[in-house]
Amino acid sequence: EDQVTQSPEALRLQEGESSSLNCSYTVSGLRGLFWYRQDPGKGPEFLFTLYSAGEEKEKERLKATLTKKESFLHITAPKPEDSATYLCAVQSKDNYGQNFVFGPGTRLSVLP
Amino acid sequence: AAGVIQSPRHLIKEKRETATLKCYPIPRHDTVYWYQQGPGQDPQFLISFYEKMQSDKGSIPDRFSAQQFSDYHSELNMSSLELGDSALYFCASSSLGSRENAYNEQFFGPGTRLTVL
Repeated sequence: EDQVTQSPEALRLQEGESSSLNCSYTVSGLRGLFWYRQDPGKGPEFLFTLYSAGEEKEKERLKATLTKKESFLHITAPKPEDSATYLCAVQSKDNYGQNFVFGPGTRLSVLP
Repeated sequence: AAGVIQSPRHLIKEKRETATLKCYPIPRHDTVYWYQQGPGQDPQFLISFYEKMQSDKGSIPDRFSAQQFSDYHSELNMSSLELGDSALYFCASSSLGSRENAYNEQFFGPGTRLTVL
């Protein structure tokens, strides 16, 4: 059974204090790993797709990396507007079809 | 830019009633996904459609059904509602022209908040 875990569950940073969020996964036949940002009461907002180990993608203060077992979302010099829940999701495929599983998320708070 | 539209945004129903949620994907997107997100939980995949055909099925209860119409909008029909069905229901759409990659870069709508009393 595909599993996705994220750590930490919650993270509080001071503005400008860089850190990393972790997403660990156990899937059969990984087809892609996705990072989303979700604000309270709103739909997840797509950030990155990673397909293979060693791949990296950047967007503004965010950088996502992927290994065979986990992905990291690095946040450099965060600002209060980066406060949100960051969700990791994996896409896999088995004999029954495709599967798309979200992790529980990391709730990030950036204090001014 | 046009986004995914969901209606209604809020819905209140009694137990055992039925509900229909609607989703209008981004123009030219051919794939629609439905998710259920309970309070404080991560989104759970329910079902998806590609080119008006069901493509993948997740944890959708038998009481629920969905379809995608010729204009690519989708409806999620929920019957015999239970208290536990209270949640945010998100629709997402994507368009890569290939069923194999249909989960990539999903764009989510604002959600419908369903409350079952």
